[in-house]
Amino acid sequence: KQEVTQIPAALSVPEGENLVLNCSFTDSAIYNLQWFRQDPGKGLTSLLLIQSSQREQTSGRLNASLDKSSGRSTLYIAASQPGDSATYLCAVDFGNEKLTFGTGTRLTIIP
Amino acid sequence: EAGVAQSPRYKIIEKRQSVAFWCNPISGHATLYWYQQILGQGPKLLIQFQNNGVVDDSQLPKDRFSAERLKGVDSTLKIQPAKLEDSAVYLCASSLQGLREETQYFGPGTRLLVL
Repeated sequence: KQEVTQIPAALSVPEGENLVLNCSFTDSAIYNLQWFRQDPGKGLTSLLLIQSSQREQTSGRLNASLDKSSGRSTLYIAASQPGDSATYLCAVDFGNEKLTFGTGTRLTIIP
Repeated sequence: EAGVAQSPRYKIIEKRQSVAFWCNPISGHATLYWYQQILGQGPKLLIQFQNNGVVDDSQLPKDRFSAERLKGVDSTLKIQPAKLEDSAVYLCASSLQGLREETQYFGPGTRLLVL
């Protein structure tokens, strides 16, 4: 069964620190992987998309890496800010042209 | 550019009642998705439309759920009759052509509570 796992479910970090969010997936034959952000009462916002042939993608303070052989992706957030507080979701296209989402990590940045 | 619009934002119904949700995608977006997000879980795709045709409805419980996109623009998702386990947030998303590399833009969702 193709599954996406995100641990921990919740994370609290003091403002200004760098942090890493984890995502693991069961099948290494993926097409692409995306990281989304979800704010309370709002929909999802796409942050970064990594194709299966890529190792990482960067956007501002965000850097996402992909290691297909180990079935893992990480989202690195540099110099965290209170506005980064949200739930971060990892989603994988396992080649079936649909996104399978993890359960997310709820991030709280402590001012 | 206006985002994806959804209504209502909240709905409370009793089990066995029916309910309908509406979605207006971003103008010009050919592909529209409906997702179900149960509390504590990630979104699950229910149905994907390309213009007014269904691309994937493999995870739609067709005995009680139905969806349509008659003119290839707005879409409605209906549940009849509702069950307790249908309590969830229903998210609508759209993308320009439905290509796998494209960004999906999500609406704010409709939060459904079935009592």
